[in-house]
Amino acid sequence: GIQVEQSPPDLILQEGANSTLRCNFSDSVNNLQWFHQNPWGQLINLFYIPSGTKQNGRLSATTVATERYSLLYISSSQTTDSGVYFCAVRSSGGYNKLIFGAGTRLAVHP
Amino acid sequence: ETGVTQSPTHLIKTRGQQVTLRCSSQSGHNTVSWYQQALGQGPQFIFQYYREEENGRGNFPPRFSGLQFPNYSSELNVNALELDDSALYLCASTTGGGGINEQFFGPGTRLTVL
Repeated sequence: GIQVEQSPPDLILQEGANSTLRCNFSDSVNNLQWFHQNPWGQLINLFYIPSGTKQNGRLSATTVATERYSLLYISSSQTTDSGVYFCAVRSSGGYNKLIFGAGTRLAVHP
Repeated sequence: ETGVTQSPTHLIKTRGQQVTLRCSSQSGHNTVSWYQQALGQGPQFIFQYYREEENGRGNFPPRFSGLQFPNYSSELNVNALELDDSALYLCASTTGGGGINEQFFGPGTRLTVL
């Protein structure tokens, strides 16, 4: 089945810093979503981005489907950005399910 | 807020018992999926329901079963609970019968098996 790898696994930032999170996947996809999981477990939708580039405030994402990777950019990080960021994909030839990466755990310190 | 609701929020059971978790999908969504998230890991797909039928299943044993009702809400039932079933159970809703469209998750039910 499709493999999803996220890097880095852990990231510590000072407030105001910028960061890039990466998601590599091993097969073609027709769904790719980025989520932020808050300390209470809620998965918050950041981007639905099977291809192309999108921006939402301080966050932006780019998926290069032909090269099988996606990037999530966080600019001017804030303490509220702390939590776990997940990338999840659905394989084009596969099952009706999202496959999640292991996540990037982000801590932003004041 | 995604519009997807789950109940209960927390649950404590003992090994061997049975549990039922509930999910109400976002308005206009006819497809519900269930995921299990163990501590420190990403969510894992359990199954999906579309038009009241199971429409895909992950690598979970038959003691994990589900239902979808005409109003698209759904239940996850787990029989003969084991200690390893302790996890956060997440429900996601979307439109269409597959996984292509954007999925929205509920707040989860945290199950502890003692």
